[in-house]
Amino acid sequence: DAGVTQSPTHLIKTRGQQVTLRCSPKSGHDTVSWYQQALGQGPQFIFQYYEEEERQRGNFPDRFSGHQFPNYSSELNVNALLLGDSALYLCASSVADRVLTDTQYFGPGTRLTVL
Amino acid sequence: AQSVTQLDSHVSVSEGTPVLLRCNYSSSYSPSLFWYVQHPNKGLQLLLKYTSAATLVKGINGFEAEFKKSETSFHLTKPSAHMSDAAEYFCVVSDLGGYQKVTFGTGTKLQVIP
Repeated sequence: DAGVTQSPTHLIKTRGQQVTLRCSPKSGHDTVSWYQQALGQGPQFIFQYYEEEERQRGNFPDRFSGHQFPNYSSELNVNALLLGDSALYLCASSVADRVLTDTQYFGPGTRLTVL
Repeated sequence: AQSVTQLDSHVSVSEGTPVLLRCNYSSSYSPSLFWYVQHPNKGLQLLLKYTSAATLVKGINGFEAEFKKSETSFHLTKPSAHMSDAAEYFCVVSDLGGYQKVTFGTGTKLQVIP
């Protein structure tokens, strides 16, 4: 059983460009959450998707957007990249009907470098 | 609102000695609490979780944590450190008000000295 997978592993972009990161959840999971982890920091919650809709959002600007597909996979899009967007982007999946007790399983992350 | 504070950014122990990583939390609801470990260039792995059952929670690799509501703490312990325990550890809180919205602590880097 494959766990959470993310692509690409690494990405280098320049300021002002746009980027799309992808995530496939663990089998049987229907909820995907995205996190940004800057160097030396803990992950910061970006947003969560369930039933193809954004269910909640952290303190991130509208430049950060996402999408969830019918097969539960998800994309994170970042427009007008800034140097400060350089970070490890983590995807986590879980099961929606176990709201409080379920564990989020994390993928290995995508390392984004903005030059 | 929820928050979590990891009281030590770095902890250094000798191999074979006990490990204590401290975490305090704040939550408006009855929280779930988690400890995750992150090895260099690897993803986050769940060590253990508390979800309102037994207050002493046992996890993988010999780690355990005790939920103390009166102290709003969820400290992580291990009786004997191993070299492979060297990593970054994150305390995480999730409460009913947030639909699995989780808040991570800033992390504690554990160094194990041979």
